Amino acid sequence: NAGVMQNPRHLVRRRGQEARLRCSPMKGHSHVYWYRQLPEEGLKFMVYLQKENIIDESGMPKERFSAEFPKEGPSILRIQQVVRGDSAAYFCASSPMDQNEQYFGPGTRLTVT
Amino acid sequence: DQQVKQNSPSLSVQEGRISILNCDYTNSMFDYFLWYKKYPAEGPTFLISISSIKDKNEDGRFTVFLNKSAKHLSLHIVPSQPGDSAVYFCAANPGSSNTGKLIFGQGTTLQVKP
Repeated sequence: NAGVMQNPRHLVRRRGQEARLRCSPMKGHSHVYWYRQLPEEGLKFMVYLQKENIIDESGMPKERFSAEFPKEGPSILRIQQVVRGDSAAYFCASSPMDQNEQYFGPGTRLTVT
Repeated sequence: DQQVKQNSPSLSVQEGRISILNCDYTNSMFDYFLWYKKYPAEGPTFLISISSIKDKNEDGRFTVFLNKSAKHLSLHIVPSQPGDSAVYFCAANPGSSNTGKLIFGQGTTLQVKP
């Protein structure tokens, strides 16, 4: 049973470019979460999605950031016009319905130059 | 405002001894707590959890204790092993409307010396 998969593992973007981070949840998991970890900090919640629905986006910056979890395919976290402050590790987690435990992927390390 | 706090950035223990990692929270509405372990350049790995209706949960070498009146939980690892060296995060599920999000502490780096 494959775990949560994220790609790419490392992503380098210049300021102003777009970054797309992908996440495939564990088999049988219908809930996807995105978290961001800045250097020397804990993980911060960004968004919680179910298939074709955004359930809670209270942690998402108001501009430039968006997320989706389509009916088919992986969840996508999209960052438009990246800035240096977006450099961080972005983690995706998934869980089955009605379970509190979330299982994390290996993360995507975004570097903005 | 930091709703989940791990006040010790680091902890060093000898192999075979007990490791105790602490976590405090501010919101009495939090109803589920989890501990994760994280190695460098990897994602967090779920270790153990506890519901607010319990005060203790045990899984092998790992035990989590919850003191609701003090809004405090701790993770005990005994005996500690060198492979336990990692960053440990506690996390809380806010409960109530239960959007599913977890609120994480800043982490404690555990070093277990052989």
